[in-house]
Amino acid sequence: KAGVTQTPRYLIKTRGQQVTLSCSPISGHRSVSWYQQTPGQGLQFLFEYFSETQRNKGNFPGRFSGRQFSNSRSEMNVSTLELGDSALYLCASSTIDSTDTQYFGPGTRLTVL
Amino acid sequence: DAKTTQPPSMDCAEGRAANLPCNHSTISGNEYVYWYRQIHSQGPQYIIHGLKNNETNEMASLIITEDRKSSTLILPHATLRDTAVYYCIVASMDSNYQLIWGAGTKLIIKP
Repeated sequence: KAGVTQTPRYLIKTRGQQVTLSCSPISGHRSVSWYQQTPGQGLQFLFEYFSETQRNKGNFPGRFSGRQFSNSRSEMNVSTLELGDSALYLCASSTIDSTDTQYFGPGTRLTVL
Repeated sequence: DAKTTQPPSMDCAEGRAANLPCNHSTISGNEYVYWYRQIHSQGPQYIIHGLKNNETNEMASLIITEDRKSSTLILPHATLRDTAVYYCIVASMDSNYQLIWGAGTKLIIKP
């Protein structure tokens, strides 16, 4: 099976702009989670979607939003970018079995100038 | 906050077994122990998970103490490619398996 794919892999934006990142989960996986990773804060949970519904949300401002489509592909959007949004954004997909093991994509490296 | 405690760094000689400890003294009965690793600038990679029994797969073995308050990940024959940050995480269906990440252990395999 193909793994989790994320596009684009690298992105450079300026403050105030908005950005949309895309994640395609492993075929058959219906849950998609998003994480932000920075050197100072480590890996932090953003939100999780299952069957097009947001089930969990981390402690991030409303500028961070996401959605999931009927084919389980997911997008996350960050509006009004700030310098502190520079990070590696990771997407993980999982099945709905009892252990829900998550499989991660390579990430999108976002740089805000 | 992360519910696990791990040493910040460890060294291991190439070819030897790497034993990475994790303390999860507040683990509840329905929480699984997961191990992931992250090689520099890549997405985390799933290694293994367990509930109460010891587990083994092609990558590693997971030993969970009888009281479930701690566990050890064993890489039986470490190679230079095993140099990475290793994360121990506990999660359960109650939280929809939301993973809360600590700082992990930076494992350096030395030739």
